Amino acid sequence: DSGVTQTPKHLITATGQRVTLRCSPRSGDLSVYWYQQSLDQGLQFLIQYYNGEERAKGNILERFSAQQFPDLHSELNLSSLELGDSALYFCASSVDWGSSYNEQFFGPGTRLTVL
Amino acid sequence: ELKVEQNPLFLSMQEGKNYTIYCNYSTTSDRLYWYRQDPGKSLESLFVLLSNGAVKQEGRLMASLDTKARLSTLHITAAVHDLSATYFCAVDQGGNEKLTFGTGTRLTIIP
Repeated sequence: DSGVTQTPKHLITATGQRVTLRCSPRSGDLSVYWYQQSLDQGLQFLIQYYNGEERAKGNILERFSAQQFPDLHSELNLSSLELGDSALYFCASSVDWGSSYNEQFFGPGTRLTVL
Repeated sequence: ELKVEQNPLFLSMQEGKNYTIYCNYSTTSDRLYWYRQDPGKSLESLFVLLSNGAVKQEGRLMASLDTKARLSTLHITAAVHDLSATYFCAVDQGGNEKLTFGTGTRLTIIP
């Protein structure tokens, strides 16, 4: 158990809908990262927040957005869902940002199925 | 754009044998990470390699990093069934915290 928690574990929804995935980082970690894992794209970085501020953006679609709250938990919002958004979404956390050591600890993931 | 390649993609090994997984990356980086993923599960951190020549060992797994060759290896010694999993290497470009993952190597240990 990495100490990173994600809810829900599974989510089944229909095309066109909107969902919110939630992540709580390890105690003391200030950075939160979101990744998407799918069969065709592999593991892809989506977005990173550090202490409430967006720090880096990857291949995140405009239909997707995220934020990190003052208590450091983060939410990933996915809207106008398409079949291709079906994937495993991971949240990871690390202590710092910009340091020489950036081991990221991954949560259990949320499996999203879009029907 | 940073590209990370792993090979092989699939590996079936007999118990007791040795093998190596290779991870090549395309741009300068001195920070490389190895993760393990069991089917349907999360990623477990195995090794963090932070400098050229770094070598780390845990049980039957040993990882090394050659930043000049832009190559990391994960060596498996005397494989056992419990090591069956998918192994990923990941690189970050120092100061850019996002991890770029390799394609993964699905390792199956056959009794």
